[in-house]
Amino acid sequence: DGGITQSPKYLFRKEGQNVTLSCEQNLNHDAMYWYRQDPGQGLRLIYYSQIVNDFQKGDIAEGYSVSREKKESFPLTVTSAQKNPTAFYLCASSGGGKGKNIQYFGAGTRLSVL
Amino acid sequence: AQSVTQPDIHITVSEGASLELRCNYSYGATPYLFWYVQSPGQGLQLLLKYFSGDTLVQGIKGFEAEFKRSQSSFNLRKPSVHWSDAAEYFCAVAPSGDSNYQLIWGAGTKLIIKP
Repeated sequence: DGGITQSPKYLFRKEGQNVTLSCEQNLNHDAMYWYRQDPGQGLRLIYYSQIVNDFQKGDIAEGYSVSREKKESFPLTVTSAQKNPTAFYLCASSGGGKGKNIQYFGAGTRLSVL
Repeated sequence: AQSVTQPDIHITVSEGASLELRCNYSYGATPYLFWYVQSPGQGLQLLLKYFSGDTLVQGIKGFEAEFKRSQSSFNLRKPSVHWSDAAEYFCAVAPSGDSNYQLIWGAGTKLIIKP
């Protein structure tokens, strides 16, 4: 089955620690996205990548970093500089042509601070 | 700046009753329009989309939406809701003809179903 796999489902971060959230897709999509979701705030874009080896900051990139070394993978690192990382993180991907705006989502990773 | 407004944070509907969720956007030209649904603790699933053509679009799970250019609206409807429809619903917009892949998201409407 084609889709987007996010892991882990739950993640805990200690003070001063960097943690990495995994996102893998087998849809052969060019573009991938990371969103942060907080209660009552909808989706906020952290980073996005439209092609391998290239990515752009979204609205709330501070304290986060990404890489896009392979088409199918777009890991997100939450660094110690992100002082309020507790949130639900969603990864998405989209294809080309008219489908470039149709985003498909993973099941999410819930990050909490210990 | 482009924006999407979902005026209702919560909506409570009795099971079997009809549903309308509102979505208004601010954009000069006709954008591409989307509705997504999110069950608790899950990712988002595409319900339906509008690119062009017939302004009434049908989606999955018995949902439909109507694009009204004059009102800059894309409201989601369902004739009879089921308890399994309880979820959060997001409207999103993409500028048409733009090379940018991003979506502009509404804040979401949480649907509560009364038995």
